[in-house]
Amino acid sequence: QIVLTQSPALMSASPGEKVTMTCSASSSVSYMYWYQQKPRSSPKPWIYLTSNLASGVPARFSGSGSGSSYSLTISSMEAEDAATYYCQQWSTNPLTFGAGTKLELK
Amino acid sequence: QVQLQQSGAELVRPGASVTLSCKASGYTFTDYEMHWVKQTPVHGLEWLGAIDPETGGTAYNQKFKDKATLTADKSSSTAYMELRSLTSEDSAVYYCTREANGNFDYWGQGTTLTVSS
Repeated sequence: QIVLTQSPALMSASPGEKVTMTCSASSSVSYMYWYQQKPRSSPKPWIYLTSNLASGVPARFSGSGSGSSYSLTISSMEAEDAATYYCQQWSTNPLTFGAGTKLELK
Repeated sequence: QVQLQQSGAELVRPGASVTLSCKASGYTFTDYEMHWVKQTPVHGLEWLGAIDPETGGTAYNQKFKDKATLTADKSSSTAYMELRSLTSEDSAVYYCTREANGNFDYWGQGTTLTVSS
């Protein structure tokens, strides 16, 4: 199965700071999907097909990448962005998720 | 609006079976595959499998093939997942989630399963 390695596992950012987190796949994938999860809530769709923002996601978020290297970027950190972000692939069965990057507000 | 309403928390004895449900509303149930995802602190998010409600066709993660059985009832727009031979390793939050072109665009609120004697 394709293993997705997210880094860093934990990070903190100050308001207004640019944030970048990465997702590295053990084999090449066609697309990457990202989800945001806050404590005691279900995951929410965040970025689909590598670079498309889900409905309601602020424009300060962006996604990019290809092959086995993908990233999620926040242009300017806001308090509401503090959450855990998971990447996910389904180019190859089984569908797999990364272990998550926990983003905290500094 | 699209909603996926999952059944309530379960406390089950080891060795038993349990069936979790996920009632869909706000869209045509048979137009989208329904997936099930397990979440634990140790293993994070794990995909168990998916069902096409129209055909009943299923796809499973090999890891859970002997653990989970997915079914769907078109008449009630409800998806089900049976988990059998439960152990403490099955204690988790289980989510149903609708798939649209590879993206999980709607999620249930989750069902907490606790396996304990």
